[in-house]
Amino acid sequence: QKEVEQNSGPLSVPEGAIASLNCTYSDRVSQSFFWYRQYSGKSPELIMSIYSNGDKEDGRFTAQLNKASQYVSLLIRDSQPSDSATYLCAVREGGGNKLTFGTGTQLKVEL
Amino acid sequence: EAGVAQSPRYKIIEKRQSVAFWCNPISGHATLYWYQQILGQGPKLLIQFQNNGVVDDSQLPKDRFSAERLKGVDSTLKIQPAKLEDSAVYLCASSLGGSGYEQYFGPGTRLTVT
Repeated sequence: QKEVEQNSGPLSVPEGAIASLNCTYSDRVSQSFFWYRQYSGKSPELIMSIYSNGDKEDGRFTAQLNKASQYVSLLIRDSQPSDSATYLCAVREGGGNKLTFGTGTQLKVEL
Repeated sequence: EAGVAQSPRYKIIEKRQSVAFWCNPISGHATLYWYQQILGQGPKLLIQFQNNGVVDDSQLPKDRFSAERLKGVDSTLKIQPAKLEDSAVYLCASSLGGSGYEQYFGPGTRLTVT
C-alpha cells in the first residue's frame, strides 16, 4: 500500500523563525508532490506544488524534493501566527491523478 | 473565478438514514473528485470522474455509497444507509484535467451520524 508519512506534531516555532515540515513517501514512481494548508474547520488550500528534484520558492514558502530519498519538505520563512494550521503533504503517482495524502503536521507559530 | 461549491455545509442524521451531498466544480474543470476526511486524518479519495465517466472508485464502499455526474458538470454523492463510522467531512475537488493538473477543494460538508 502506497503511504505518505508525516510527523503529526504539533511543531511549535516562534514568530519570525523558519518552520520546516517533512514528508516521506513509499512509492518510487510518484511524480508530483503538493503541500496543502488546512485551517481548523476549513478545507485544504493548495499552497505549493513541485515536480522535479531541487527547490521551488514562492514568497515565504520553499518546497524541496529529493526523489532518490523519497523525501519532500516545506520551509516557511519568517513564520507568522497566521501560518498556524495543519499542513498536508500529497503525492500523485505516475500516470494517474489520484492523490495520496499524509495525516498532516500541525504547525503552531507562537508570539 | 468562483471556486468549488458544495452543499449542504453541515448535516446531522441518524444511523440507517440516507443523505446526499452536492458539488459544483470550478467552471471548465473536467475532473471531479470526492474525498472523505475523518478527523485527524488526511483526505481519502472515494471516487474520481473525468467528465461524466468514472476513472477511479476503488475506495468507494459501493454497498452504501453511490455517486453520479450525469452531465459532466455537477455531481451528487449519496450514502444509504449511513453508519456511525461515516461521520466525516466530505470534500469535493476539481481539476482542469487528469494527470498533471492541480486539484482545488470546495468548503466540504461535515456529516455527523448519531
